[in-house]
Amino acid sequence: AQKVTQAQTEISVVEKEDVTLDCVYETRDTTYYLFWYKQPPSGELVFLIRRNSFDEQNEISGRYSWNFQKSTSSFNFTITASQVVDSAVYFCALSEARGGSQGNLIFGKGTKLSVKP
Amino acid sequence: DAGITQSPRHKVTETGTPVTLRCHQTENHRYMYWYRQDPGHGLRLIHYSYGVKDTDKGEVSDGYSVSRSKTEDFLLTLESATSSQTSVYFCAIRAGGYGYTFGSGTRLTVV
Repeated sequence: AQKVTQAQTEISVVEKEDVTLDCVYETRDTTYYLFWYKQPPSGELVFLIRRNSFDEQNEISGRYSWNFQKSTSSFNFTITASQVVDSAVYFCALSEARGGSQGNLIFGKGTKLSVKP
Repeated sequence: DAGITQSPRHKVTETGTPVTLRCHQTENHRYMYWYRQDPGHGLRLIHYSYGVKDTDKGEVSDGYSVSRSKTEDFLLTLESATSSQTSVYFCAIRAGGYGYTFGSGTRLTVV
């Protein structure tokens, strides 16, 4: 069965600190997708990144970076030089791509990040 | 981005009343999903659809039913609302390449 674990329930940092949000997943499939979403206080879900299981290359987008390691089943998210606007709940999610799975997106419970000025 | 709208955005209803939430898409995607979001639980899948009249249960389907009579509409019904169904409900569609788009959410309060 597929499962996503975000062990950090809440994290609080001071502006300009770097912060890493952890995500560990479980799946029996060899083909799957991993996602990160941001949910700001306004409530909408904002897509940040999608990574497929065959691409372990790390990705950087501005202050955001993602580290995908299949060996440890982890897909961690780092925010460099955090800002107050980064305050949100962040969700990691997994979708299996095998036939018959219907591609259901399974979420972790989320990590609430508070960035204080 | 795919167009996806949820209605209503907010609703307060009484225990025992039926409630229907609507998810509407404008781009003809096959897969549609209903999730609920509760503190400490993240988003959990209620039901999903893989085509007109093709639906299946998710992780937390008890007390909910769905219907999809047209590609563009996916309805979630609470036959007899209970306080435990107070939640924020999100609809999602899946485009090709496993790109998911979420609606803005419906905040449902059952009193």
